[in-house]
Amino acid sequence: GDSVTQMEGPVTLSEEAFLTINCTYTATGYPSLFWYVQYPGEGLQLLLKATKADDKGSNKGFEATYRKETTSFHLEKGSVQVSDSAVYFCALRNSGYALNFGKGTSLLVTP
Amino acid sequence: GAGVSQTPSNKVTEKGKYVELRCDPISGHTALYWYRQSLGQGPEFLIYFQGTGAADDSGLPNDRFFAVRPEGSVSTLKIQRTERGDSAVYLCASSSTGKDTEAFFGQGTRLTVV
Repeated sequence: GDSVTQMEGPVTLSEEAFLTINCTYTATGYPSLFWYVQYPGEGLQLLLKATKADDKGSNKGFEATYRKETTSFHLEKGSVQVSDSAVYFCALRNSGYALNFGKGTSLLVTP
Repeated sequence: GAGVSQTPSNKVTEKGKYVELRCDPISGHTALYWYRQSLGQGPEFLIYFQGTGAADDSGLPNDRFFAVRPEGSVSTLKIQRTERGDSAVYLCASSSTGKDTEAFFGQGTRLTVV
């Protein structure tokens, strides 16, 4: 069945460092791919998405490119801020409407 | 309301009891989803409603779990004969119609079975 694997955390970075959170997926067909973020004390929020191969999703300085050849959707940001500290979830949606999530990666950014 | 509202935010119940968890979706959203998130895991799909009907309930773990959405708005997730393994955060999300429309999540109900 479909599945999402993302790098385990926690990830700790200094402010202004470069961020990469790896995400790979297994799915038949052509799923849509998503990154969700959960800030402390808040609900899950959509960060960005890509619906077809080679699409790049971007939001709030974060980017991820849908790579079908490597079945990946890695999340990147050039310069993280303390306010980016959160848990990040990679997810896919295939033929149905349900989202299939990875386990999440906790990010802590220190001043 | 402004977002998806879930009540209660926390629920502690004894093993074997019955519980109901409520979700108020964003007004006008026809699609509603329930997910379960165990500690250290990502959310796991339970059930999807389109309007009043359950379009996909393949994620419900067993027949102790049931959900309804009688008027196509508020939904209730019902768990009978609760077990300690049911302890988790139960998340509700809603969206407008369409496969790639954004799903908006509530803050969840933390269920603890003791």
